[in-house]
Amino acid sequence: NAGVTQTPKFQVLKTGQSMTLQCAQDMNHNSMYWYRQDPGMGLRLIYYSASEGTTDKGEVPNGYNVSRLNKREFSLRLESAAPSQTSVYFCASLDGAADTQYFGPGTRLTVL
Amino acid sequence: SQKIEQNSEALNIQEGKTATLTCNYTNYSPAYLQWYRQDPGRGPVFLLLIRENEKEKRKERLKVTFDTTLKQSLFHITASQPADSATYLCALDRGSTLGRLYFGRGTQLTVWP
Repeated sequence: NAGVTQTPKFQVLKTGQSMTLQCAQDMNHNSMYWYRQDPGMGLRLIYYSASEGTTDKGEVPNGYNVSRLNKREFSLRLESAAPSQTSVYFCASLDGAADTQYFGPGTRLTVL
Repeated sequence: SQKIEQNSEALNIQEGKTATLTCNYTNYSPAYLQWYRQDPGRGPVFLLLIRENEKEKRKERLKVTFDTTLKQSLFHITASQPADSATYLCALDRGSTLGRLYFGRGTQLTVWP
């Protein structure tokens, strides 16, 4: 039981490049989330998916897209990376019975 | 918009003492409030959840209180140990079924021997 996994762990991009951050969970949770964490700021919600086939914007969705590929997988795409997107990105899934979120280990992204 | 404040960025205490962390919120009344622990380079880990109709919750050396009148939650670690050193995050949910959480910036706790 791996919980929530994320790939890659680290990534460096140049401005304008695109990439996809991958997230998978093996806990059979319906809801999944993407957050970013910046120094001196709390975790901020980018997008979430309440169930397979649905996605919704969070607090800071601009510059990102998401895909809920199936119940297990929820990916985050940066179409044209900008230095302002330098951050640590966390994926999470929700145990709805306990109202508890489980987080992945994070992806540290640097955009030059 | 929801605003969540954690009392200080850093808290240093001696081993064996009780650490008390504060979380204040404005604008909305959350259905429940959660506390997470985050170690450097790792994702947050859930510790405790307290609902709006609960005053206090305990788990081993951890205790959380919730005062909806003051719009405040206190998180206590009793008999603190150096292994408790980490950043502690407060998060609240406004009661939708979507599980959307709003996080504070966190308080970095250091417990010295």
